[in-house]
Amino acid sequence: GIQVEQSPPDLILQEGANSTLRCNFSDSVNNLQWFHQNPWGQLINLFYIPSGTKQNGRLSATTVATERYSLLYISSSQTTDSGVYFCAVVGNDMRFGAGTRLTVKP
Amino acid sequence: GAGVSQSPSNKVTEKGKDVELRCDPISGHTALYWYRQSLGQGLEFLIYFQGNSAPDKSGLPSDRFSAERTGGSVSTLTIQRTQQEDSAVYLCASSLGIQETQYFGPGTRLLVL
Repeated sequence: GIQVEQSPPDLILQEGANSTLRCNFSDSVNNLQWFHQNPWGQLINLFYIPSGTKQNGRLSATTVATERYSLLYISSSQTTDSGVYFCAVVGNDMRFGAGTRLTVKP
Repeated sequence: GAGVSQSPSNKVTEKGKDVELRCDPISGHTALYWYRQSLGQGLEFLIYFQGNSAPDKSGLPSDRFSAERTGGSVSTLTIQRTQQEDSAVYLCASSLGIQETQYFGPGTRLLVL
C-alpha cells in the first residue's frame, strides 16, 4: 500500500511563529486530507486537498500531486493550534501518516 | 443532534466477547465514517457509508469486524470474539457528502482484557 511520511515528528513553537508541516506519499492518490487532533483527542477535518492550494484563516495547504507531497502552513500560531496534525491519502485505500505533534508555547 | 455522538464512551470487555459500538451522525449527513486509533497502529480508516451502503469494506481489519447503517442514520460497528489487539479508540465521523468536511464524535474507548 501507499506509504505516508510526515515531518517533522515533533515541533515546538513560540506563539506568533509560522510553521510548515510536510506530508510525503509514495504513489499517486485520489485525495488527500489534513486533520488536527487537539490535546483532548478531538479530531477536526481541516482540508480536502488532492491538488492545488486552499486557505482557511491562518491555515493553508498546498498539494503538489505530481511530486507526491503536501504542505500545511500555520501562520501566527496560537496555543490552541497545539495537538497532532495528520495527513491521510486516498488511493486504493485510505492511509494515515504518523502525525506531527505541534506544541505552541505562550 | 448538535454533533456526532457515540456510545458507549468507554467499554471494557473480556477477550472472546462480542461488542457493539454505536454512532449517531449529524442529522442530514449522508456520509458516515469509522476509524480507529491505537498506540500500536496509529490512525486507521475502517469503513465508510454513503447512505446505507458501504462501497468498500476492505479497511476492516478482519472478518470479526462488521458494520451496518440503517435508515441513513445510526451506524453500529460490531466486533465479534474480541482480541486484545482490538483495544483502541473507535471514532465515527459524518459529513454532508463524500469529500465534504467530516465532523467527528468523541470516540468509544475499547479495552479488551
